[in-house]
Amino acid sequence: AQKVTQAQTEISVVEKEDVTLDCVYETRDTTYYLFWYKQPPSGELVFLIRRNSFDEQNEISGRYSWNFQKSTSSFNFTITASQVVDSAVYFCALSVNDYKLSFGAGTTVTVRA
Amino acid sequence: EAQVTQNPRYLITVTGKKLTVTCSQNMNHEYMSWYRQDPGLGLRQIYYSMNVEVTDKGDVPEGYKVSRKEKRNFPLILESPSPNQTSLYFCASSLSVRQPQHFGDGTRLSIL
Repeated sequence: AQKVTQAQTEISVVEKEDVTLDCVYETRDTTYYLFWYKQPPSGELVFLIRRNSFDEQNEISGRYSWNFQKSTSSFNFTITASQVVDSAVYFCALSVNDYKLSFGAGTTVTVRA
Repeated sequence: EAQVTQNPRYLITVTGKKLTVTCSQNMNHEYMSWYRQDPGLGLRQIYYSMNVEVTDKGDVPEGYKVSRKEKRNFPLILESPSPNQTSLYFCASSLSVRQPQHFGDGTRLSIL
């Protein structure tokens, strides 16, 4: 069975603060894919990043960065110098070889001006 | 424009009245799936389809049916809706489950 846990339900920060979102996953498969999606207040779901289980390199895209650690089964997401436009619900997701896609419960980020 | 189109966007109906939510994609994607989003539970997969005529249950399939007769369409059917199926529903498509999902805009269902 596969499972994704996002323990942080809500995070509130002041603009320009950094914020880190935790994602812990469970799977017995050695091949799997991890994703992050963003859901702004308008409601659409936007893909942010994909990482496969063989690639543990961290990634940076502008103010966003991701830290993938297989040793702790974690795929954490950091927003540096947060902005009001970063306010959204962020979902971590996991796919393994049985064609299912499992999402975490999501973390609501509120960035206050 | 590449897109996943869901209809209707909003629906209020009554218990037991069969309804269908349509989903269509124009990207020639093989993988399609349905999710429901509920507060505190995130997105939960209802059904998925790897290709035409190939479908399988996700984590919360009870009370739902799907079909995949054409590659572009993946309707979600509630044969006898109940109030616990009140939720926000998303359809998604991709080349495979290992690829990023393209989501529709969502359908908000209220079952009274």
